[in-house]
Amino acid sequence: GAGVSQSPSNKVTEKGKDVELRCDPISGHTALYWYRQSLGQGLEFLIYFQGNSAPDKSGLPSDRFSAERTGGSVSTLTIQRTQQEDSAVYLCASRPSSGNTIYFGEGSWLTVV
Amino acid sequence: GDSVTQMEGPVTLSEEAFLTINCTYTATGYPSLFWYVQYPGEGLQLLLKATKADDKGSNKGFEATYRKETTSFHLEKGSVQVSDSAVYFCALSNAGGTSYGKLTFGQGTILTVHP
Repeated sequence: GAGVSQSPSNKVTEKGKDVELRCDPISGHTALYWYRQSLGQGLEFLIYFQGNSAPDKSGLPSDRFSAERTGGSVSTLTIQRTQQEDSAVYLCASRPSSGNTIYFGEGSWLTVV
Repeated sequence: GDSVTQMEGPVTLSEEAFLTINCTYTATGYPSLFWYVQYPGEGLQLLLKATKADDKGSNKGFEATYRKETTSFHLEKGSVQVSDSAVYFCALSNAGGTSYGKLTFGQGTILTVHP
């Protein structure tokens, strides 16, 4: 597709379960970002992938959060043993190798009950 | 570290009113500045950007000028429409370091425009 694609768009999970969120960036974009948008916290940076370089994981809130990017394209954000405070919209974004404009997907809305 | 401070909302205006949403930043070096907009039920969209001092970004009647002397990037529109109702985010991106292009966002400002 033309834009950043994320799935699922909505996910309700029970506390303690693991969840996986998927991101398919714009074709050819080398950089990929995960952000979290929650009430009262605004937009928080989570993790950044650039080509084959080691990812910048400085924004991951705990070791329950991890992400990988396979083949330089699709990325999966995994949250283990989910907690209620993990409820948020998880946004994926990508950027081409030239320029600094980042393009966002529509997000995955996670609700932990 | 880098930070962005936005005017707190919500902002409520009548159609055709003048809009200003203030944004100031703290950053090392020479960041690029952005305004993103999030319409109800939709993802974040880039509204406009400016990459160096005194640049003016503009789109859909919105404007913002990169003011290095006041470290500001205020968003303005001369005549708002109901369709402008959305959440507006100011953001910066620093070109240096290992996280090139990583965005730091303000808290967002909710704008509601009434007919």
